[in-house]
Amino acid sequence: AQTVTQSQPEMSVQEAETVTLSCTYDTSENNYYLFWYKQPPSRQMILVIRQEAYKQQNATENRFSVNFQKAAKSFSLKISDSQLGDTAMYFCAFISMMDSSYKLIFGSGTRLLVRP
Amino acid sequence: DVKVTQSSRYLVKRTGEKVFLECVQDMDHENMFWYRQDPGLGLRLIYFSYDVKMKEKGDIPEGYSVSREKKERFSLILESASTNQTSMYLCASSRDARSYNEQFFGPGTRLTVL
Repeated sequence: AQTVTQSQPEMSVQEAETVTLSCTYDTSENNYYLFWYKQPPSRQMILVIRQEAYKQQNATENRFSVNFQKAAKSFSLKISDSQLGDTAMYFCAFISMMDSSYKLIFGSGTRLLVRP
Repeated sequence: DVKVTQSSRYLVKRTGEKVFLECVQDMDHENMFWYRQDPGLGLRLIYFSYDVKMKEKGDIPEGYSVSREKKERFSLILESASTNQTSMYLCASSRDARSYNEQFFGPGTRLTVL
């Protein structure tokens, strides 16, 4: 069974600095997608970034980028120039391309606090 | 923009009551999902639906049922609420069966069962 592990329950970073959130996963499959979702306090969860496992190039979205290490089954999120609005719970998630249930498997989340 | 709405932000019910949580999406998405979010456990899938009147069990379906009579609406039903069902419930939808499609989430319903 696939699993997703986020080993950092809480992190904090000074505004304008860079922070990296860790995520590891376990799967025997070759074709899958990985996601980072953000859940701000009392607001809806939104997609931050998506990575396709067959693409070697790391995905980037403005200040958000990932370090995807397929062999190590690692998928970390780097937030550059942190802003107060980045304060949120961040969830790493996995979905198999072979799984007809279209089921996202989530990690337990990392609560990020950006300090002014 | 996709909009996913849930009928209540906060709900308080008594043990044994039948509870209905409603979710509506406005973008003609095929897939809809119900998750439960608990601290330290992330999100766990309760049920999902890939078409009207079609449903599949997720990881934790016990104590829950669902209904999808119309494409835009997906209901979660707690037949007899228990205190261990106190949690945050999130509804989500995605366009179709392709696994890379983004899931769009509702604001959540925080349910307390006394």
